[in-house]
Amino acid sequence: DAGVIQSPRHEVTEMGQEVTLRCKPISGHNSLFWYRQTMMRGLELLIYFNNNVPIDDSGMPEDRFSAKMPNASFSTLKIQPSEPRDSAVYFCASSLLQNTEAFFGQGTRLTVV
Amino acid sequence: KNEVEQSPQNLTAQEGEFITINCSYSVGISALHWLQQHPGGGIVSLFMLSSGKKKHGRLIATINIQEKHSSLHITASHPRDSAVYICAVRSGNTDKLIFGTGTRLQVFP
Repeated sequence: DAGVIQSPRHEVTEMGQEVTLRCKPISGHNSLFWYRQTMMRGLELLIYFNNNVPIDDSGMPEDRFSAKMPNASFSTLKIQPSEPRDSAVYFCASSLLQNTEAFFGQGTRLTVV
Repeated sequence: KNEVEQSPQNLTAQEGEFITINCSYSVGISALHWLQQHPGGGIVSLFMLSSGKKKHGRLIATINIQEKHSSLHITASHPRDSAVYICAVRSGNTDKLIFGTGTRLQVFP
């Protein structure tokens, strides 16, 4: 398996624009996680899905953030409208079950100017 | 006070040295994870443990549930071990992962 695949690797966008980050989990994994990493706050869990269903989205910072998992092989994290403080590295991870070892994607570095 | 504390924040070592990174936590947990993040940014899961000790190559992770403390040891350190090592605990109450701020390790030849 190619591992968790995220796209794009880098994204630069202007404030106010919509940003969509994509993730393909490892085939057969039932849990998918979205994390954000900043210098100030380190790694933070934004939301996680179990069997395509959002289980806990309490880490999503604002209504500007939304995440979907339409099927077992694809998830998106959308920010609309984007703001400079959203600049961070966004990681997607998947695991076989919710409480087993997680495998991380390479991350998407988002810069909002 | 952070629920997960790591020490030291920064660590410099000479190649071949034995390295220990510590993680203390204040919440009840169901599991503890050690992650490695390389300068390129990729994150790799090293260990997940809920008791005792695990070993993988030159890496050893231990956890003491009573003392709420875990250590990550690296034997015969090598420059390629240079990375940020992150401790994360899964809360026993909420099932959420809570991350430490990481330990930046640099190993010089």
